[in-house]
Amino acid sequence: KNEVEQSPQNLTAQEGEFITINCSYSVGISALHWLQQHPGGGIVSLFMLSSGKKKHGRLIATINIQEKHSSLHITASHPRDSAVYICAVIKAPPGGATNKLIFGTGTLLAVQP
Amino acid sequence: GAGVSQTPSNKVTEKGKYVELRCDPISGHTALYWYRQSLGQGPEFLIYFQGTGAADDSGLPNDRFFAVRPEGSVSTLKIQRTERGDSAVYLCASSDYNEQFFGPGTRLTVL
Repeated sequence: KNEVEQSPQNLTAQEGEFITINCSYSVGISALHWLQQHPGGGIVSLFMLSSGKKKHGRLIATINIQEKHSSLHITASHPRDSAVYICAVIKAPPGGATNKLIFGTGTLLAVQP
Repeated sequence: GAGVSQTPSNKVTEKGKYVELRCDPISGHTALYWYRQSLGQGPEFLIYFQGTGAADDSGLPNDRFFAVRPEGSVSTLKIQRTERGDSAVYLCASSDYNEQFFGPGTRLTVL
């Protein structure tokens, strides 16, 4: 079983819809990242969370440490939001002293006009 | 300033050949990571450098894989006797203390 699980694996939405992508993890963590990857493109960090909630533009990320769960929300979705969204965690020490990321398999989002 | 760069962007090689993949991190970043992303999968950790030393190489799949960072800046990932299963996108990231900044990756195809 993967230490980081994402759902759904694939998501198709209509422009303007509210989108939620979920991430669950099974290890103790010091931080959780949400990343965006466009086809053929590099990976861009969207958020780094260790507690609570962060907002940047139309993107909102939340984390519940007790439940080992995080969500990424996109409000008023747009076709340019189409990408793979990846959840990644940094294990808490002693297993995470290097800050290496453990990735989920990603959620492929397609927003149709 | 410039972000993380990786060269080449694409590399096609034949089974059994030797390849080198290069990563230029953001200037001043002491931490450097190599990850590998197979088709349809999330990236997987390969090796982590703090300065010149490999602080964690637990993700290297076998002894055909080796990486160096001799001056604490540029890093080279070296793969000997390539196999078709090595085909993937190899990602490099550098970090100051928290956020990791990713390069565009090198797509390696082993025929």
